[in-house]
Amino acid sequence: DQQVKQNSPSLSVQEGRISILNCDYTNSMFDYFLWYKKYPAEGPTFLISISSIKDKNEDGRFTVFLNKSAKHLSLHIVPSQPGDSAVYFCAASAGGAQKLVFGQGTRLTINP
Amino acid sequence: EPEVTQTPSHQVTQMGQEVILRCVPISNHLYFYWYRQILGQKVEFLVSFYNNEISEKSEIFDDQFSVERPDGSNFTLKIRSTKLEDSAMYFCATGDRVSAGELFFGEGSRLTVL
Repeated sequence: DQQVKQNSPSLSVQEGRISILNCDYTNSMFDYFLWYKKYPAEGPTFLISISSIKDKNEDGRFTVFLNKSAKHLSLHIVPSQPGDSAVYFCAASAGGAQKLVFGQGTRLTINP
Repeated sequence: EPEVTQTPSHQVTQMGQEVILRCVPISNHLYFYWYRQILGQKVEFLVSFYNNEISEKSEIFDDQFSVERPDGSNFTLKIRSTKLEDSAMYFCATGDRVSAGELFFGEGSRLTVL
């Protein structure tokens, strides 16, 4: 099941710079997208979401961009901070369904 | 901040044994979910539960699995006869709306089947 793909297993960014995490999807029925952050030994924590009727949603240092034609979304974190080091999961749902389909995750490391 | 709590944090069991994983949801949430993550793999949806019945389940959620909320507080996942491939981290999640909006996840219960 590769409906949601995060092709970069890891990303390393210098503190203060921009982190860009990418996610692609194949199911055109997906209409709601979320980013979750996960620290070791903890459950995923909701970060930000976007509906398919929008192409951008911003919350503080976090911005999610959605390109429906390319079936691509990205999460921008600026400026990156050491506490942002975690695994980031992209997730999607279709038609109000309760089921979330997750990507494989990208491990983000912020270097001082 | 309200949180979802799960017990046990880690359980080791022999193949063929029954396992019950427990979750205490956030108090005003009505939608409950179980997800699992096998080591090195994706987080996968297992089942959603609302109004005391299953609302959606994945193909993973076969007859060996069951869920219930017996006392109106704990939400449980039972695996009747565990297999080696059931070894995973099991996450309970809860939400306050019918659509898959923001879900609140517990810290997970790690199940190891020997």
